[in-house]
Amino acid sequence: GAGVSQSPSNKVTEKGKDVELRCDPISGHTALYWYRQRLGQGLEFLIYFQGNSAPDKSGLPSDRFSAERTGESVSTLTIQRTQQEDSAVYLCASSREGARNTEAFFGQGTRLTVV
Amino acid sequence: SQQGEEDPQALSIQEGENATMNCSYKTSINNLQWYRQNSGRGLVHLILIRSNEREKHSGRLRVTLDTSKKSSSLLITASRAADTASYFCATIGQAGTALIFGKGTTLSVSS
Repeated sequence: GAGVSQSPSNKVTEKGKDVELRCDPISGHTALYWYRQRLGQGLEFLIYFQGNSAPDKSGLPSDRFSAERTGESVSTLTIQRTQQEDSAVYLCASSREGARNTEAFFGQGTRLTVV
Repeated sequence: SQQGEEDPQALSIQEGENATMNCSYKTSINNLQWYRQNSGRGLVHLILIRSNEREKHSGRLRVTLDTSKKSSSLLITASRAADTASYFCATIGQAGTALIFGKGTTLSVSS
């Protein structure tokens, strides 16, 4: 596709429910990143996929958070048993080779509100 | 721990003035990147400077990198109201994989 696509753009969920966020990276991009941004804050790294290597999960805040990516395509970020502190914008980005050499392209994010 | 930290947190200037934002980081880097964010959504890449470079230009943007001080600066010359946004620096994290972002500088340019 022309850019990184994220869906849904907005999601309101009840506390305790599970949510699944989707990211379609730019075709041919081997690297994919997930970030969380709380209101007025910076980007908090969550997880990084690079090709077929084991993902870097060091940023996931708890075991309620998980992400998957099949090959070099779509990724899903799942948050189980959502809490109010999970409310944030979740941003996805992709790049051709990974951060060492190239820029990252971002989607418009999913705004998650837990009520 | 976060790799990059921007300074100042907020900056307000008049159109036509120059805006300077600084970024400090903690560990050795391969490259440092600057991004811009409008309205709290997707970020747009502005410029990438490699560790063996000291200065880079792109239009009205000038980025410097001092690896001995572990710091970088972003200069926007002749600012415009449309430059109003948040600006973030990003470096490769200690794991050597993902881009790690700082907290950002919010720039307001008034006409």
